[in-house]
Amino acid sequence: DGGITQSPKYLFRKEGQNVTLSCEQNLNHDAMYWYRQDPGQGLRLIYYSQIVNDFQKGDIAEGYSVSREKKESFPLTVTSAQKNPTAFYLCASSILGGDTEAFFGQGTRLTVV
Amino acid sequence: AQSVTQLGSHVSVSEGALVLLRCNYSSSVPPYLFWYVQYPNQGLQLLLKYTSAATLVKGINGFEAEFKKSETSFHLTKPSAHMSDAAEYFCAVSIIQGAQKLVFGQGTRLTINP
Repeated sequence: DGGITQSPKYLFRKEGQNVTLSCEQNLNHDAMYWYRQDPGQGLRLIYYSQIVNDFQKGDIAEGYSVSREKKESFPLTVTSAQKNPTAFYLCASSILGGDTEAFFGQGTRLTVV
Repeated sequence: AQSVTQLGSHVSVSEGALVLLRCNYSSSVPPYLFWYVQYPNQGLQLLLKYTSAATLVKGINGFEAEFKKSETSFHLTKPSAHMSDAAEYFCAVSIIQGAQKLVFGQGTRLTINP
């Protein structure tokens, strides 16, 4: 079945450590996105990419980094520079075109301990 | 800048009652608008989308939304609420400024009372 897979579902990190969240899709979508979700704040865009080896900063990119070496994969690294990393992270993908919907993974809940 | 605003962070209705979740958009060009639903600890699922083909859009699970340009609104409705409708609902607008991205509203948590 085609879809978008995020792993792990739950992740614990010690303060000062970098951590990488995985996002893989087999939908042959060109566009991929990372969102952060906090209670009462909706979804905020971290990074997005339309093509391999190219990506753009979203509204809250500070303290995060991404890569897009393959069309299917868009991993997100939460660095130690991110002051408040505890959140629910969602990855999405879509075909290009303003009228096309995004498909979402099941999310990764990151907790800093 | 294009954006969406959801009025009411929390809506509570009785089972069988009308569901109305409000979304207003701001856009200088005809927008592409979406409603998504999220169940606890899960990703988002598309309910319906407006792409200018028809102003009344029908989606899954009995939901529908009407695009009203004069009111810059895209409110989500369902005639009769079911317990399984309890979830968080997000309105979103598609923006193309160089690259394509989806911008979301703050979300509305829907509670269904038995």
